[in-house]
Amino acid sequence: QQPVQSPQAVILREGEDAVINCSSSKALYSVHWYRQKHGEAPVFLMILLKGGEQKGHDKISASFNEKKQQSSLYLTASQLSYSGTYFCGTEGRGGGGADGLTFGKGTHLIIQP
Amino acid sequence: DAGVIQSPRHEVTEMGQEVTLRCKPISGHNSLFWYRQTMMRGLELLIYFNNNVPIDDSGMPEDRFSAKMPNASFSTLKIQPSEPRDSAVYFCASSLALGTSPTDTQYFGPGTRLTVL
Repeated sequence: QQPVQSPQAVILREGEDAVINCSSSKALYSVHWYRQKHGEAPVFLMILLKGGEQKGHDKISASFNEKKQQSSLYLTASQLSYSGTYFCGTEGRGGGGADGLTFGKGTHLIIQP
Repeated sequence: DAGVIQSPRHEVTEMGQEVTLRCKPISGHNSLFWYRQTMMRGLELLIYFNNNVPIDDSGMPEDRFSAKMPNASFSTLKIQPSEPRDSAVYFCASSLALGTSPTDTQYFGPGTRLTVL
């Protein structure tokens, strides 16, 4: 029941765009996106709660297609600081907002100057 | 504001020894989660508490693992006896959840890197 992330790894030039996808085989209550740099804790990026919801700040945004049970993270005009591993964490229906998250295996993003 | 605090940050022990990891959640948060991260298995949920009560411990690998939350500001994860395959980074996370919808996401502590020789 672990969500599937794709691609597994991406190498970009600074300024290019990237899309990271997260798909689940079960109905979702929410999708949480995190970024983790090597040797550090995962850092929260955003949470999506409703089907069709879209959020964003700075040049990072995300969408949640509840019907398709998938979410996508969009990084535009990528910066060197965006490098790291991106995880989606999913919460199934009935969690009430207090369930533990099931994480995908992560997408490694490398931004080159 | 202080984030989630974990101790120790690094722990090296020998197989068979007891290991205790500690966590102080963000003040006011009512949910606490223990995760384990390894290269092979990624981030796995071990157990979580709501209002100090364990809700789901199905992720705990085996009886050697136990967790407690005696009050709202402290939790422990204990491994007894420890084995080399327990080597991993253990994260504690906390959140504020009000039952029907989350008002916040989970904030992770810095982690404890455990090495069992």
